[in-house]
Amino acid sequence: ETGVTQTPRHLVMGMTNKKSLKCEQHLGHNAMYWYKQSAKKPLELMFVYSLEERVENNSVPSRFSPECPNSSHLFLHLHTLQPEDSALYLCASSSRHPNTGELFFGEGSRLTVL
Amino acid sequence: EDQVTQSPEALRLQEGESSSLNCSYTVSGLRGLFWYRQDPGKGPEFLFTLYSAGEEKEKERLKATLTKKESFLHITAPKPEDSATYLCAVNGGTSGSRLTFGEGTQLTVNP
Repeated sequence: ETGVTQTPRHLVMGMTNKKSLKCEQHLGHNAMYWYKQSAKKPLELMFVYSLEERVENNSVPSRFSPECPNSSHLFLHLHTLQPEDSALYLCASSSRHPNTGELFFGEGSRLTVL
Repeated sequence: EDQVTQSPEALRLQEGESSSLNCSYTVSGLRGLFWYRQDPGKGPEFLFTLYSAGEEKEKERLKATLTKKESFLHITAPKPEDSATYLCAVNGGTSGSRLTFGEGTQLTVNP
């Protein structure tokens, strides 16, 4: 496998469910990111994990919980989501952080909250 | 706070019809401006990094240029396979290392 792999590609969940998104990078990078992409809105950074730091966007609700067990894996745990959380969730990695802006993205997990 | 505005929101071209996409930005101190391409159902793919006014980068039919207030992505003699959403992002210093993205320009090239 190469690049950044995200699973599942599609997820439908109810507001009371608990699910997790998974991301794995095979590029040897040491920084990983979660972005949210909603229709007609810019990409929004949710979380950054690197060797040096963990950065959170303070506007991200606590119903989103990241986990980064090592430099190759990143999870986004979801619980009691709202319909407005429906979006494409993108994982990315970079060779260092702060990065040069060259991010490698996965294909995304399309989340629908009913 | 860093700001990025892309125009037009959508652009339709005929194959071979050259045009430009615009990315206007407001930052306290530019650390880099980045262009990405995103195909439907996929994640963005990195294209270019520009660091200072006057800098230009080229890749196949694409050329990115930078001034102190905006960047242009010029598309010369486009082909249908150039159809995608083109995203602009800046690292402007006020957001730390965080990138601020624009909403993108959806380009359609008809054969």
